[in-house]
Amino acid sequence: EAGVVQSPRYKIIEKKQPVAFWCNPISGHNTLYWYLQNLGQGPELLIRYENEEAVDDSQLPKDRFSAERLKGVDSTLKIQPAELGDSAVYLCASSLRDGPYEQYFGPGTRLTVT
Amino acid sequence: GEDVEQSLFLSVREGDSSVINCTYTDSSSTYLYWYKQEPGAGLQLLTYIFSNMDMKQDQRLTVLLNKKDKHLSLRIADTQTGDSAIYFCAENGDGGSQGNLIFGKGTKLSVKP
Repeated sequence: EAGVVQSPRYKIIEKKQPVAFWCNPISGHNTLYWYLQNLGQGPELLIRYENEEAVDDSQLPKDRFSAERLKGVDSTLKIQPAELGDSAVYLCASSLRDGPYEQYFGPGTRLTVT
Repeated sequence: GEDVEQSLFLSVREGDSSVINCTYTDSSSTYLYWYKQEPGAGLQLLTYIFSNMDMKQDQRLTVLLNKKDKHLSLRIADTQTGDSAIYFCAENGDGGSQGNLIFGKGTKLSVKP
């Protein structure tokens, strides 16, 4: 069974440029999560989708971040414009909707903003 | 607010047991988890425990939960060099009814040969 797929694995951009990350969850997983992981920290939730609906985006900085999950499968996270402080690893995870909410993570996208 | 605390470093010798500790604040959490992260990789789910259990064993891994003290531990028996990684404790916060995980900062386990 294929795991969670993310691309690109690495991205280097200049500040004020846009950037997008893509995630393909495990087949059959209706819940999809985007996390931000800063160096030396645990992941922090940005947004959670149930199918195509964003059910928790309270931690998503909506002035520059946006996300979508068309058709309830793949998802894209976008930053526009990027700031130096956005340099981090962006992780995507997926799970079934009900407990025990076993979340399976992709390898992440490491973003460097210069 | 909800918080998960872990010690940052642990060093053990190969063949010894490792014990990684964690405290959490949300008493309504229904599940608690242990994840492993190797350099440059995503997080790998190792095991989880339901909040009404005291212990769970899975091969070399033993999870102990003291719900009264909100203390969770992960014991790795016969620790190997391949166990060197960062281990994250997590609880499902948000009142325990959803899948939003609250992670600790991680414990870096170093295994010396």
